[in-house]
Amino acid sequence: GAGVSQTPSNKVTEKGKYVELRCDPISGHTALYWYRQSLGQGPEFLIYFQGTGAADDSGLPNDRFFAVRPEGSVSTLKIQRTERGDSAVYLCASSLTSLAGDTQYFGPGTRLTVL
Amino acid sequence: AQSVAQPEDQVNVAEGNPLTVKCTYSVSGNPYLFWYVQYPNRGLQFLLKYITGDNLVKGSYGFEAEFNKSQTSFHLKKPSALVSDSALYFCAVRDRDDKIIFGKGTRLHILP
Repeated sequence: GAGVSQTPSNKVTEKGKYVELRCDPISGHTALYWYRQSLGQGPEFLIYFQGTGAADDSGLPNDRFFAVRPEGSVSTLKIQRTERGDSAVYLCASSLTSLAGDTQYFGPGTRLTVL
Repeated sequence: AQSVAQPEDQVNVAEGNPLTVKCTYSVSGNPYLFWYVQYPNRGLQFLLKYITGDNLVKGSYGFEAEFNKSQTSFHLKKPSALVSDSALYFCAVRDRDDKIIFGKGTRLHILP
């Protein structure tokens, strides 16, 4: 079956611009997670959704970052006024539920480069 | 607060030899432990997890991991390494009501 997909695979933007990153989870998965992975580091949690609501957004670094999941399926991570420090790979994952033992399945990521 | 440590940045193993990638963790409650593998320019692929039950967990591609509560460790193992096992490996831990935390990763090099 189809896995988690993310678009675009690469995004190059200029400092100060607005970007949107999209995630399509595995069909039927109610939980969706966003992570950021910098070079040489493990994924760092940003936010997760259970259904349409953000259950935990404690990892969002500041108010320039925002994410939505209006219909409980596709999610969009939005970054306003991008900074060079936002350059990273943004990973999305989904799981059947948000229970701690449920496996999270990852998409291939979006590589964001802010010039 | 929960945490996870992968003490080795890189592990080199000759093809055919057994391999171990180390992971230690700290959580306040019972841990949920995961191993993922990442190939270049790819997302993370799930290998195995420990939830409860047998301390030895078997996963994909012949990998296994042993949960050791007294040593708070969850080392990844494989009896005979393949060159194709060369990749970046991440250990992760999650507490019941908390988010998942990933280690920094260990790069595994299997030498032909």
